[in-house]
Amino acid sequence: SQTIHQWPATLVQPVGSPLSLECTVEGTSNPNLYWYRQAAGRGLQLLFYSVGIGQISSEVPQNLSASRPQDRQFILSSKKLLLSDSGFYLCAWSVGLAGTDTQYFGPGTRLTVL
Amino acid sequence: GNSVTQMEGPVTLSEEAFLTINCTYTATGYPSLFWYVQYPGEGLQLLLKATKADDKGSNKGFEATYRKETTSFHLEKGSVQVSDSAVYFCALSENQAGTALIFGKGTTLSVSS
Repeated sequence: SQTIHQWPATLVQPVGSPLSLECTVEGTSNPNLYWYRQAAGRGLQLLFYSVGIGQISSEVPQNLSASRPQDRQFILSSKKLLLSDSGFYLCAWSVGLAGTDTQYFGPGTRLTVL
Repeated sequence: GNSVTQMEGPVTLSEEAFLTINCTYTATGYPSLFWYVQYPGEGLQLLLKATKADDKGSNKGFEATYRKETTSFHLEKGSVQVSDSAVYFCALSENQAGTALIFGKGTTLSVSS
């Protein structure tokens, strides 16, 4: 069966510090991968998605970047965190290319920037 | 562009009450529609989905019917339980390669015994 892991589960970082959040998927090959952010009191916002190694699409301009160094690994990064980067970050995957495919979410990382 | 609108919460109900959470969408073409649930402190879980008009998705006593004529996908449950307390998200997918979900803002449901 497929599983998706995210770490760390929680993170408190000072403004201006770097960030690296990792997401890995097991039990499937060539998944579509996604990073979402859920800010306090707001819905989910798609940040990045990837359909293959080294292929990253950004949905909104921001202080963050994403990379996919391996087929089942997706990394969210920042060189200098802002207060507005605080939120709950969710990684998701889907199999296949059709939009009808279900997206499966990881447990999330709660990031607090102070 | 495509969008999803959910009823504002929070929704507060007593156990065994009937639940409706409204969801309407705007989309070009024929999207797939989803309901996800987020329990406190956890990630999102798929609750149900429908991929074409008139399809009914169902799971754990929840149901939603894809109504193209009213562009709606309302979530219903006949008798809620305390364990149903969570945030519910309606979402659509544009059915194109590699596209992501477009979510509503979420509706918080609180069920008391």
